[in-house]
Amino acid sequence: DGGITQSPKYLFRKEGQNVTLSCEQNLNHDAMYWYRQDPGQGLRLIYYSQIVNDFQKGDIAEGYSVSREKKESFPLTVTSAQKNPTAFYLCASSSLTGGGNEQFFGPGTRLTVL
Amino acid sequence: AQSVTQLGSHVSVSEGALVLLRCNYSSSVPPYLFWYVQYPNQGLQLLLKYTTGATLVKGINGFEAEFKKSETSFHLTKPSAHMSDAAEYFCARNTGTASKLTFGTGTRLQVTL
Repeated sequence: DGGITQSPKYLFRKEGQNVTLSCEQNLNHDAMYWYRQDPGQGLRLIYYSQIVNDFQKGDIAEGYSVSREKKESFPLTVTSAQKNPTAFYLCASSSLTGGGNEQFFGPGTRLTVL
Repeated sequence: AQSVTQLGSHVSVSEGALVLLRCNYSSSVPPYLFWYVQYPNQGLQLLLKYTTGATLVKGINGFEAEFKKSETSFHLTKPSAHMSDAAEYFCARNTGTASKLTFGTGTRLQVTL
């Protein structure tokens, strides 16, 4: 089955710790995205990548970092510099050929800071 | 700035009633528009999208949306609500390059007996 997987589903972090959220896709999509979702605020873009070894900041990149060493993988690290990391994190991917390409979403990771 | 506005953060309908979820966009050129659905603690699933051509777009689960350029709207409708339609719905539009999307803040649909 083609799709996007995210792990873990639930993640707990102590203050001051870095944590890494995994995102893998087997859709052969060039672009991948990370969003943060908070109640009542919709989805906000953290980082995105259009090609391996390249990525761009989104609207709320501070306190986060990413890498894109493989086309299939786009891990997100939530660093201790992120002051309010408790949220639901969604990874997505998209083709870049043609126009009007929708994004396909993973099941999400819920991060809670203890 | 290009944006998406969803009117009504919560909408409640009776089972069997019409569902109408509103979405307006701001843009100087017609955008690509999308509706996604999210069930609790899950990712987003595409319901339908408008790119070019026919302005009435049919999607999954009996939903449809009409692109109205004159009103800069892309409202989502379903003739008869079902209990399984209870979820959060997001309208989105393309933004710049890289297939980036800008999302509205979402509308939570409640379906009552």
